[in-house]
Amino acid sequence: GAVVSQHPSWVICKSGTSVKIECRSLDFQATTMFWYRQFPKQSLMLMATSNEGSKATYEQGVEKDKFLINHASLTLSTLTVTSAHPEDSSFYICSASRPRQNNQPQHFGDGTRLSIL
Amino acid sequence: DQQVKQNSPSLSVQEGRISILNCDYTNSMFDYFLWYKKYPAEGPTFLISISSIKDKNEDGRFTVFLNKSAKHLSLHIVPSQPGDSAVYFCAASAPGGGADGLTFGKGTHLIIQP
Repeated sequence: GAVVSQHPSWVICKSGTSVKIECRSLDFQATTMFWYRQFPKQSLMLMATSNEGSKATYEQGVEKDKFLINHASLTLSTLTVTSAHPEDSSFYICSASRPRQNNQPQHFGDGTRLSIL
Repeated sequence: DQQVKQNSPSLSVQEGRISILNCDYTNSMFDYFLWYKKYPAEGPTFLISISSIKDKNEDGRFTVFLNKSAKHLSLHIVPSQPGDSAVYFCAASAPGGGADGLTFGKGTHLIIQP
C-alpha cells in the first residue's frame, strides 16, 4: 500500500493564485521529505529538501519565495506555489524515506498536476 | 550537466524475453542506486536498489547490476510481462544519511509487445 500520500492530485487555477500541495507520510515519521518537479518527457528534478522543524534547503535556481515549503510535523510537508503563473504549470511530486539506517529508498506520492490558466 | 544518464528514450521488447535497461552516471560520490517505475500521472514506484558495495541485487524478476569502474548500472527484467510497460527511471544518491534528494535520469519508456 501507499506509504506517501499527496493531495490534491490535480489543480487548475487562474494566474496569480497561490496553490498549496500537501504531502503526508502514512506509516512512518519523516524528518526529511523532498519535493520534485517534472516537465513532460523530462526527468524528475529535485526542487528542495523539506526538514521538519527547520527551513527547507532549495536547489540552485529554485526561488524560495515562489515555492514556500513548510514541514510542521513529522508526517506532513506542504509546498505552496505563490502567485502561480502559466510557466509554473508542471507535475509536482513529493517523497519521503524512512530514517536511513542501511540505505532506505524514497517513496513517492502520486504527484500533483498543476495547470495555471 | 546530467549526472545520471539513460541514453535510450525507449525500448521495445517481446513478451517473455529479457528487458535490459541501462544507466550511466558521472558522479563518483554516488553510493546508492535505485530503479523506479512510473506510469503517466502517477508518482514513481520503487522497484529495486543497490548499494555501491555490491555488484548485483536480485528481487524476483528484477535484477540490478552495478559496474562501478564503468560507472554503469543496468536493470534486467525477465521474463518481461505486458504490465511492465512503463517509464523506468534510474536514480542515484550520495552519502548523506538520508538527507539528500535523488538525482534522476530522464527515463526509458519500456514497451512490452505481446
